[in-house]
Amino acid sequence: DQQVKQNSPSLSVQEGRISILNCDYTNSMFDYFLWYKKYPAEGPTFLISISSIKDKNEDGRFTVFLNKSAKHLSLHIVPSQPGDSAVYFCAASARDSNYQLIWGAGTKLIIKP
Amino acid sequence: KAGVTQTPRYLIKTRGQQVTLSCSPISGHRSVSWYQQTPGQGLQFLFEYFSETQRNKGNFPGRFSGRQFSNSRSEMNVSTLELGDSALYLCASSFPRGGPFSVTQYFGPGTRLTVL
Repeated sequence: DQQVKQNSPSLSVQEGRISILNCDYTNSMFDYFLWYKKYPAEGPTFLISISSIKDKNEDGRFTVFLNKSAKHLSLHIVPSQPGDSAVYFCAASARDSNYQLIWGAGTKLIIKP
Repeated sequence: KAGVTQTPRYLIKTRGQQVTLSCSPISGHRSVSWYQQTPGQGLQFLFEYFSETQRNKGNFPGRFSGRQFSNSRSEMNVSTLELGDSALYLCASSFPRGGPFSVTQYFGPGTRLTVL
């Protein structure tokens, strides 16, 4: 049972436009969500996180939105830059699971010039 | 602060052999998690160690094992290697458990294992 789903395997966006990556989850006990960025042959890099007590968190060009009623979160990147081309993973954790991170399958973002 | 380090970075083994991978977490981090990533796949969780104890375990066969030392350094061992074990093995460390804000994991560069 996939508790964290990233339904788009890939996404192509024009440079300078907004990139929106989506993530859905099924476990209502998740209380902390994270986004990571990964380049090929490297380890993932932490981008931004959000607690379930918030619905939005911003860090520079990156904003994460959380819609608890829909069990949905999204990562907005504005404006998109060539260096943003990477695989993006969302992850979630719950206190009753000992805060183990549950990962989505990833979305490959391609920024077109 | 130095980041998470993993050694070796690249490894080539043959079927049936065993391999040991090493991970040194960020100074002060006591939790170490291991993941496997195969081409086109997401991150498959192997196990997590905290204070030398395995806290969580993924769905991998017993050929995959790990341990953590008192200095928080961790090793992962794979015995009787199979071709399907070829993957990027990632180690991540995090602060001691203290609520949800301590779950952020910081990854090393990974060890690329090729099994021939």
